[in-house]
Amino acid sequence: DIQMTQSPSLLSASVGDRVTLSCKASQNIYKYLNWYQQKLGEAPKLLIYYTNSLQTGIPSRFSGSGSGTDFTLTISSLQPEDVATYYCYQYNSGYTFGAGTKLELK
Amino acid sequence: EVQLVESGGGLVQPGRSLKLSCAASGFTFSNYYMAWVRQAPKKGLEWVATISTSGSRTYYPDSVKGRFTISRDNAKSSLYLQMNSLKSEDTATYYCARHNGYDYWGQGVMVTVSS
Repeated sequence: DIQMTQSPSLLSASVGDRVTLSCKASQNIYKYLNWYQQKLGEAPKLLIYYTNSLQTGIPSRFSGSGSGTDFTLTISSLQPEDVATYYCYQYNSGYTFGAGTKLELK
Repeated sequence: EVQLVESGGGLVQPGRSLKLSCAASGFTFSNYYMAWVRQAPKKGLEWVATISTSGSRTYYPDSVKGRFTISRDNAKSSLYLQMNSLKSEDTATYYCARHNGYDYWGQGVMVTVSS
């Protein structure tokens, strides 16, 4: 089974900061990776699919990159409404979520 | 507008069964694979089951294989999850989601397995 490791588990940042979240796969998943945002008490929301494609309606400050085993979600300028937990998810072989990165305001 | 509405959750004793339902609207249900994803309290997300458009193919992780059964009724635009031999570790919020990258999710339904 493919394992997904996200880091850090908790990230504190200030409004306006550029924020980078990491996700590593235990084996090559090519670009079969999505990112989801989950705010407290809500269902997850798809942000990025196939590593770097922005889902309709998602602000352009969100972007994704990577391939193979190393992936990154970047928020170019953190906004208060971005406080949430972010999950990566691979669908190259089976379906596996990472454990999440909780993003809070400093 | 795409809507997914789960129902059927509740408190159930270990070893018993429960069936969840998900009513879909706002899209052509029969054209999409569908899935169930769960989230234990204060934990991360876990894929639970996926079903093909016709229902002829189903997929499960080892953690629920043999105990859970996903099914669908395309005429009713409905998705189901039959959960048997429930364990305490099945306690979670269960979400139904369109398997197209999980681009749409329901609001979730809570299942608590406890004596």
